[in-house]
Amino acid sequence: QVQLVQSGAEVRKPGASVKVSCKASGLTFTTYYMHWVRQAPGQGLEWMGIINPSGGSTTYARKFQGRVTMTRDTSTSTVYMDLSSLRSEDTAVYYCASGVRATHIFDYWGQGTLVTVSS
Amino acid sequence: DIVMTQSPDSLAVSLGERATINCKSSQSVLYSSNNKNYLAWYQQKPGQPPKLLIYWASTRESGVPDRFSGSGSGTDFTLTISSLQAEDVAVYYCQQYYGTPLLFGQGTKLEIK
Repeated sequence: QVQLVQSGAEVRKPGASVKVSCKASGLTFTTYYMHWVRQAPGQGLEWMGIINPSGGSTTYARKFQGRVTMTRDTSTSTVYMDLSSLRSEDTAVYYCASGVRATHIFDYWGQGTLVTVSS
Repeated sequence: DIVMTQSPDSLAVSLGERATINCKSSQSVLYSSNNKNYLAWYQQKPGQPPKLLIYWASTRESGVPDRFSGSGSGTDFTLTISSLQAEDVAVYYCQQYYGTPLLFGQGTKLEIK
């Protein structure tokens, strides 16, 4: 079965960066696009961007352009999301999700990674 | 950007009764070349990631109970739970995947009356 396993919770100070990983199993890694979606406490879902694990091409939401970098390691079937210049508003649960039914549908989700930004 | 607006923001329904959640997109998400609506519905319970319920506006994901159904086309969509069960208490989100940025509705919190 498809599993997306994310790295553990992180605490960062404002201005720092954080890198969250998402290891995929049960699917052909290079076939399915991977997304990152975040959810601030008590808030809704916010799409951050997408990476094509095959070639590594990315598309980022305008809001995060210049601050987010999504990469992948095909040897370990892992995608990464790096967010820089953190501020308190970036405190959220960050999810990776894959689109197997269709590229932009989120049919499999990681368990989520809580990133807390606090001085 | 295709903005998604759900109504209501919250809803309380008695067990066994019907629950209806609406979702409106700021422009059509119907792709004319394949006549498919690029609209999905998700269920999120506290402390869990969202779960895909419906895609292509009306296709139920495998394993989703048949009391869940999706309908609508173009800009107006509905998620219906025909007979509410206790385990259906959750927040429900619609999402358009017609184009990027992929945007969600603000969510509808469903509770038991």
